[in-house]
Amino acid sequence: GEDVEQSLFLSVREGDSSVINCTYTDSSSTYLYWYKQEPGAGLQLLTYIFSNMDMKQDQRLTVLLNKKDKHLSLRIADTQTGDSAIYFCADPLTPYSGAGSYQLTFGKGTKLSVIP
Amino acid sequence: DTEVTQTPKHLVMGMTNKKSLKCEQHMGHRAMYWYKQKAKKPPELMFVYSYEKLSINESVPSRFSPECPNSSLLNLHLHALQPEDSALYLCASSPMGVREKLFFGSGTQLSVL
Repeated sequence: GEDVEQSLFLSVREGDSSVINCTYTDSSSTYLYWYKQEPGAGLQLLTYIFSNMDMKQDQRLTVLLNKKDKHLSLRIADTQTGDSAIYFCADPLTPYSGAGSYQLTFGKGTKLSVIP
Repeated sequence: DTEVTQTPKHLVMGMTNKKSLKCEQHMGHRAMYWYKQKAKKPPELMFVYSYEKLSINESVPSRFSPECPNSSLLNLHLHALQPEDSALYLCASSPMGVREKLFFGSGTQLSVL
């Protein structure tokens, strides 16, 4: 099955809060990430959370981590039309031995549509 | 400088052409990556370079040939591609070490005719 799962679509009205959810299976992850991808663009690292934290707040963004349920969420307060994008949850897999680098596993992405 | 720069932004090529995609970063990152992203799909890992050496090749066809000439540059040489290779090709870099963050370029949108 998938290592990282997300719902595919979310539609909210401008000014409301958006909550994007993600579940993952790799319980040894030290960090979990949220990336944002606007149409025709690359991925922008939006925020991340250490696995020893339950919550991280960064301006309009709040990340919640429930390690017991392996559930990660991204809340965007006061959602704006500029927040319309695809949001990917990402979980690093165990690094390959000797490589020193690692592979991100991405969810399929949640397309956020903001209605003016 | 916290950017990963990719050129060109768009590329159209025929199936008999040879072209190259370029990626550059000046953050001192010693791990560099090529990802392929089809429309409406998440990125898929193709290659990883660690300290300028190829460390991961995710069973990518030989018509894709990566090259890392130095610690700041990563190339992807393309030859005899197929129309199904049309996709967004993303370069990324990260500091060496476990669980470090990936920084992505804006990608090259490739169309193979």
